[in-house]
Amino acid sequence: QSVLTQPPSASGTPGQRVTISCSGSSSNIGYNTVNWYQHLPPTAPKLLIYSDNHRPSGVPDRFSGSKSGTSASLAISGLQSEDEADYYCATWDASLNGWVFGGGTQLTVL
Amino acid sequence: EVQLLESGGGLVQPGGSLRLSCVVSGFTFSSYAMNWVRQAPGKGLEWVSTITNIISTSYHADSVKGRFAISRDDFKNTLYLQMSSLRVEDTAVYYCAKSRHSSAWDDFDYWGQGTLVTVSS
Repeated sequence: QSVLTQPPSASGTPGQRVTISCSGSSSNIGYNTVNWYQHLPPTAPKLLIYSDNHRPSGVPDRFSGSKSGTSASLAISGLQSEDEADYYCATWDASLNGWVFGGGTQLTVL
Repeated sequence: EVQLLESGGGLVQPGGSLRLSCVVSGFTFSSYAMNWVRQAPGKGLEWVSTITNIISTSYHADSVKGRFAISRDDFKNTLYLQMSSLRVEDTAVYYCAKSRHSSAWDDFDYWGQGTLVTVSS
């Protein structure tokens, strides 16, 4: 059972917009900024969004993040087949004094 | 180019020990916090440990506290994870990850390819 709650799966057709939610509490999402990672095993995980809504250099602007209270969301617009991967939210938890990850959302492009 | 290369994984019996290493290049290692994250078979990403720079304050997940120890050698540009009293549930791919800055709560902006640890009799 992960501290941050994500839907286990999401799907969309090419060109569609998909959102993935991440729910937490006042000691994690409500306390610190949220980061999103894209992972396609066996490759290395990749930072997609940091500090709630910032994109690292090289990440397409199709990816965007937002946060409100104790929940965060990742939106992917103009869905492409290469976006098929697992997506994780993560933040620092002040009560646990450590990082917490969501359980991950497997995105399928139909 | 930032590179992180993990090594040291392998097969170990329950109760055994193993030391993972992560050699980095392409950035000033001593200026950044560093981390270990793992993924067990069929499971999601799980944070394991973080170590800050300069005074090397360390943090560990409850699941490994007292059994794992993170450390760093800034002269060798190497991050370590000493794992002892290993359990079957520690079986996972272990990733080394660089923090964006020097704090424990900075995001992980670069990751290695991982090294597989299998705990089995």
